[in-house]
Amino acid sequence: TQLLKQSPQFLSIQEGENLTVYCNSSSVFSSLQWYRQEPGEGPVLLVTVVTGGEVKKLKRLTFQFGDARKDSSLHITAAQPGDTGLYLCAAGGEYGNKLVFGAGTILRVKS
Amino acid sequence: EPEVTQTPSHQVTQMGQEVILRCVPISNHLYFYWYRQILGQKVEFLVSFYNNEISEKSEIFDDQFSVERPDGSNFTLKIRSTKLEDSAMYFCASSRDSSYNSPLHFGNGTRLTVT
Repeated sequence: TQLLKQSPQFLSIQEGENLTVYCNSSSVFSSLQWYRQEPGEGPVLLVTVVTGGEVKKLKRLTFQFGDARKDSSLHITAAQPGDTGLYLCAAGGEYGNKLVFGAGTILRVKS
Repeated sequence: EPEVTQTPSHQVTQMGQEVILRCVPISNHLYFYWYRQILGQKVEFLVSFYNNEISEKSEIFDDQFSVERPDGSNFTLKIRSTKLEDSAMYFCASSRDSSYNSPLHFGNGTRLTVT
């Protein structure tokens, strides 16, 4: 079973600041997904990364997959209060979509 | 945009009672899943379902759990005799196929409280 460790567990920053959250494992992933979850709702997929070294951008969010496909990071530039939420990474196999989730990073952006 | 819907949003039941959690997946999706999230803990995989049968299940998904797609529309999770430790958010999800290119779409969950 792959274990995903996310850090930090909690992050509270001011509007306009930059931040990075991390997702690490000792195992190699076939794919890794980042989700955002708001209270009372299910996780919503932000991005899937598959190739080692891959970088994907989604507006102010930049996702990177490590060269060895064991780690990933999410960087947010100029954070906004609307970015507040729980950010989850999840590792999946090539088939089956049985995802293993990390414990998440709770982000709070203060205005 | 089509979405996965779950009912009820909150279910309170007594220990030992049977509960059925209901989900309507996105209509052209072929793979269906149940995940759960105990308060303060990780989202955990329970079971995946394809072509009217379970394709994979976790060790959490024991004989007390069952899934069914009774009418081609609904996808249900039944817990036969609930325990206190079954209290959690239960998320249904669906995907078009099983590859990583086919993202999971999650519903907003059913909060199950066992008293």
